[in-house]
Amino acid sequence: DARVTQTPRHKVTEMGQEVTMRCQPILGHNTVFWYRQTMMQGLELLAYFRNRAPLDDSGMPKDRFSAEMPDATLATLKIQPSEPRDSAVYFCASGTTLDRTDTQYFGPGTRLTVL
Amino acid sequence: GESVGLHLPTLSVQEGDNSIINCAYSNSASDYFIWYKQESGKGPQFIIDIRSNMDKRQGQRVTVLLNKTVKHLSLQIAATQPGDSAVYFCAETSSNFGNEKLTFGTGTRLTIIP
Repeated sequence: DARVTQTPRHKVTEMGQEVTMRCQPILGHNTVFWYRQTMMQGLELLAYFRNRAPLDDSGMPKDRFSAEMPDATLATLKIQPSEPRDSAVYFCASGTTLDRTDTQYFGPGTRLTVL
Repeated sequence: GESVGLHLPTLSVQEGDNSIINCAYSNSASDYFIWYKQESGKGPQFIIDIRSNMDKRQGQRVTVLLNKTVKHLSLQIAATQPGDSAVYFCAETSSNFGNEKLTFGTGTRLTIIP
């Protein structure tokens, strides 16, 4: 049963600390998305990658957020320094352009609390 | 649609009845639409999708209807069960098989009354 995995599932940290969230997309998927979900904003796109190259990161605060794909099986989202307003659930999703589908499959999310 | 957060529309349905969840989308160029189900503490789970060249698609107990004229999407769930209680999101993209970013609606909270 192929699925997107994310670690950690929960993270509590203090303001100013670095946070790294990891995502393993479904094997064979070439597109990876990072979304953030809050009560106020709902689900919003932060960034996404195609074949490990960033396509759009316009939703991401550039001064403190960075997203990378070191290899095809790992995507990372870093926040440095973290702030209380970054508290949210961060979802990774993956999809593929190789089978004429636009479906995206979501991971379980990382719930981040910045104190 | 725009995600507005706090004021999540809610729908309560008696177990066994049918439910209809509606969604208005904004981009007339959108060509692919997905319904997701999100249970508490979990990620959005794919339910059903539809392309803009169709106006209806059926799955197991679920049917999605698309009206491009008024930019409206609906999800019908037949014979609802307690496990159907969740928040349901519609999402749209103008992707043409390019697997591009999704724009999510506000979400509707569905509660099944036993």
